[in-house]
Amino acid sequence: DIQMTQSPSTLSASVGDRVSITCRASQSISSWLAWYQQKPGKAPKLLIYKTFSLESGVPSRFSGSGSGTEFTLTISSLQPDDFATYYCQQYNSYSKTFGQGTKVEIK
Amino acid sequence: EVQLVESGGGLVKPGESLRLSCAASGFTFSRDTMNWVRQAPGKGLEWVASITSNSHSIYYADSVKGRFTISRDNAKNSLYLQMNSLRAEDTAVYYCSRQFAGVGEFPLDYWGQGTLVTVSS
Repeated sequence: DIQMTQSPSTLSASVGDRVSITCRASQSISSWLAWYQQKPGKAPKLLIYKTFSLESGVPSRFSGSGSGTEFTLTISSLQPDDFATYYCQQYNSYSKTFGQGTKVEIK
Repeated sequence: EVQLVESGGGLVKPGESLRLSCAASGFTFSRDTMNWVRQAPGKGLEWVASITSNSHSIYYADSVKGRFTISRDNAKNSLYLQMNSLRAEDTAVYYCSRQFAGVGEFPLDYWGQGTLVTVSS
């Protein structure tokens, strides 16, 4: 099975900061990488798919990059609504593995 | 509007069984692959199982293989998860989610609100 490793586990930042989260796959997943945002008590919400494609309605301050085994989610200017937990997920194989999550906290 | 509504969660004892359901609306259910994803309390997301549109291809996480069975009824726009031999570590919120079936690979774009399964004596 493909393993996904996210870093950092927790990120403390302020409103307006530029933040980045990294996700590494244990083997190449081409560009089949998605990012989700989850708030407490809510279902995950798809933000980005196929590494860099923004889901409809998602603010342009979110962007994705990478290929192969290393991927990055960047929030260009952190807003109050962005404090949440973020997960990467590979969907290259039938086993759609998630990263362990990155909690973005208020500094 | 796409809607996925899970039901069937509850409190069960170790070794018992439970069947989850997911009612889908707002999209062509019979076309798309469906998935179950779970989240233990305070933990991350874990993909559990998936089933293609015609039920020809079914996949499970190793942690549930042999105990859980995913199925669907396209006539009823419904997805199911039969969970047998439940263990304490199966305690989680279970989400159903859609994966669009087209050319290429697609992410899980729509999710239900989840149903809580608690396994405890």
